Amino acid sequence: GNSVTQMEGPVTLSEEAFLTINCTYTATGYPSLFWYVQYPGEGLQLLLKATKADDKGSNKGFEATYRKETTSFHLEKGSVQVSDSAVYFCAWEDSNYQLIWGAGTKLIIKP
Amino acid sequence: SQTIHQWPATLVQPVGSPLSLECTVEGTSNPNLYWYRQAAGRGLQLLFYSVGIGQISSEVPQNLSASRPQDRQFILSSKKLLLSDSGFYLCAWSLSTGQETQYFGPGTRLLVL
Repeated sequence: GNSVTQMEGPVTLSEEAFLTINCTYTATGYPSLFWYVQYPGEGLQLLLKATKADDKGSNKGFEATYRKETTSFHLEKGSVQVSDSAVYFCAWEDSNYQLIWGAGTKLIIKP
Repeated sequence: SQTIHQWPATLVQPVGSPLSLECTVEGTSNPNLYWYRQAAGRGLQLLFYSVGIGQISSEVPQNLSASRPQDRQFILSSKKLLLSDSGFYLCAWSLSTGQETQYFGPGTRLLVL
């Protein structure tokens, strides 16, 4: 069935380390793909998105590329900061504009 | 265990009519509560959040309002709906102790004609 599989957290890194959070999806067709972020004590915010194959979404130093051949949308950042500590959710949008969510990955960045 | 309910599941309303969507949470006390809207092709947008009874914070100016008359009840309202209010509305809750994960309700699909 339709689903999103995310890397299980928590992911703990030191400041300035390279980040990858894996996300793969199961869907029919070519849905829009999203990464949302939830900082401590705040609501969900859209971080980046990609609407078609090979698109790269980017924001705040984060990037993710829509790979249809591997049905993946891995989130990357070259040098993380303590302020990047949050929970990250991968999602895709079905034909009814409903979001199918991953379970979320908690990221902890240590100074 | 905790559960979150939303109703109605689907709603079709004429422009200019009022709106009331309800969300209730069971199995927890003093949760943080959230209303999100997902408009076609545009992802999820936080509309309101509440940290306690009668405490509402609005993230974006809009035609909607929210109220929290009871600890585990969150209501989304409008006096006069606009066409642009159409979308998918999600309620969510999280523990008030700082745990970050939000748990979402099943959503309400609103179509304004």
